[in-house]
Amino acid sequence: EADIYQTPRYLVIGTGKKITLECSQTMGHDKMYWYQQDPGMELHLIHYSYGVNSTEKGDLSSESTVSRIRTEHFPLTLESARPSHTSQYLCATSLAGSRETQYFGPGTRLLVL
Amino acid sequence: AQKITQTQPGMFVQEKEAVTLDCTYDTSDPSYGLFWYKQPSSGEMIFLIYQGSYDQQNATEGRYSLNFQKARKSANLVISASQLGDSAMYFCAMREGNTGGFKTIFGAGTRLFVKA
Repeated sequence: EADIYQTPRYLVIGTGKKITLECSQTMGHDKMYWYQQDPGMELHLIHYSYGVNSTEKGDLSSESTVSRIRTEHFPLTLESARPSHTSQYLCATSLAGSRETQYFGPGTRLLVL
Repeated sequence: AQKITQTQPGMFVQEKEAVTLDCTYDTSDPSYGLFWYKQPSSGEMIFLIYQGSYDQQNATEGRYSLNFQKARKSANLVISASQLGDSAMYFCAMREGNTGGFKTIFGAGTRLFVKA
């Protein structure tokens, strides 16, 4: 039973196209995150949000943008896809508190030709 | 400086045996949390176990236990009775700070291979 949904799961697209990766959650968590991960490598935080209308850039410089208009929805947009954007994108959520365990969606694997 | 270090890029273990995956961390914050995640080849990150810096006992969750040695700043994951389905990447992670902290830092991961 998935509580964090990501669509599409796989995407092959040409250079220069605008794409939006969707992430939605039914966990009621206030915090959401986007990570970029190359196969078998560590995760890099690219964006995060404390709550509605709150978004911040993460540690890894990214040409993507995010929005948080609703608590449950945190889409990631690439205005002009490039081959260097080929990677896996993982969305995560956490509930503010002492642990703040992050729970992850299934990921989107992006291939830019 | 690396805050989370996983020195084993790959590990092999025989089915039904126990295996320890190493993780050391670096922080000056007295309050922190340590996590282990499993990532199968399908790509999703699965939360396994949590250890708080003030927890007196080592965390356990089924076949997973965390060998927490605070003075050495290590948080090794022990998987008992390995199964073929345990073959995956394993990531150690740390969250610094108490409530309000948001950044979780991940290690580079260890790939575990379970042999039949």
